[in-house]
Amino acid sequence: AIQLTQSPSSLSASVGDRVTITCRASQGISSALAWYQQKPGKAPKLLIYDASSLESGVPSRFSGSGSGTDFTLTISSLQPEDFATYYCQQFNSYPPFTFGPGTKVDIK
Amino acid sequence: QMQLVQSGAEVKKTGSSVKVSCKASGYTFTYRYLHWVRQAPGQALEWMGWITPFNGNTNYAQKFQDRVTITRDRSMSTAYMELSSLRSEDTAMYYCARSGLLPGYFDLWGRGTLVTVSS
Repeated sequence: AIQLTQSPSSLSASVGDRVTITCRASQGISSALAWYQQKPGKAPKLLIYDASSLESGVPSRFSGSGSGTDFTLTISSLQPEDFATYYCQQFNSYPPFTFGPGTKVDIK
Repeated sequence: QMQLVQSGAEVKKTGSSVKVSCKASGYTFTYRYLHWVRQAPGQALEWMGWITPFNGNTNYAQKFQDRVTITRDRSMSTAYMELSSLRSEDTAMYYCARSGLLPGYFDLWGRGTLVTVSS
């Protein structure tokens, strides 16, 4: 199964900061990567699919890039509602679909 | 609006089984794959398997192959996930989630069903 790692595992940031989260795959997955946001006690929410496509209704401050094995999720200007845990997920080679371990973004 | 509504929380004994339901509304149930993903407390997301509602075909993660059964009732637009031989490590939130015309990313999620396993 393809393994995904994320860095950092957690970060502290302030409102207005630019935040970048990295996801690395154990082998090439083309652009078959999605990003999710999960707030405590809530289900995950799709943000980005196909590595860089913004899901409908998601604010444009979220963006994704990368292909092959290295991917990034960027929040251009962190808002109070963005404090959450972010997961990447690959769908190039399945089963199984696999998720990264998550990156928790909290308030500095 | 499109939604997936899951059944309520369950408390089960070690060794027993649990069956969780997921009712779809607001879209054509048979047109999208339906997956089950679980999340143990404080842990990451873990994919368990999917069902093709149109024909009932299933595909399971190897880890759960021997213990999980996913079914559906087309007339009720409902999918079910049954997990048997429960152990304490199965205590988790269980989510159903929809993907597209091909299995892939998950664009619609249920709110989750908490399953607690104790002896």
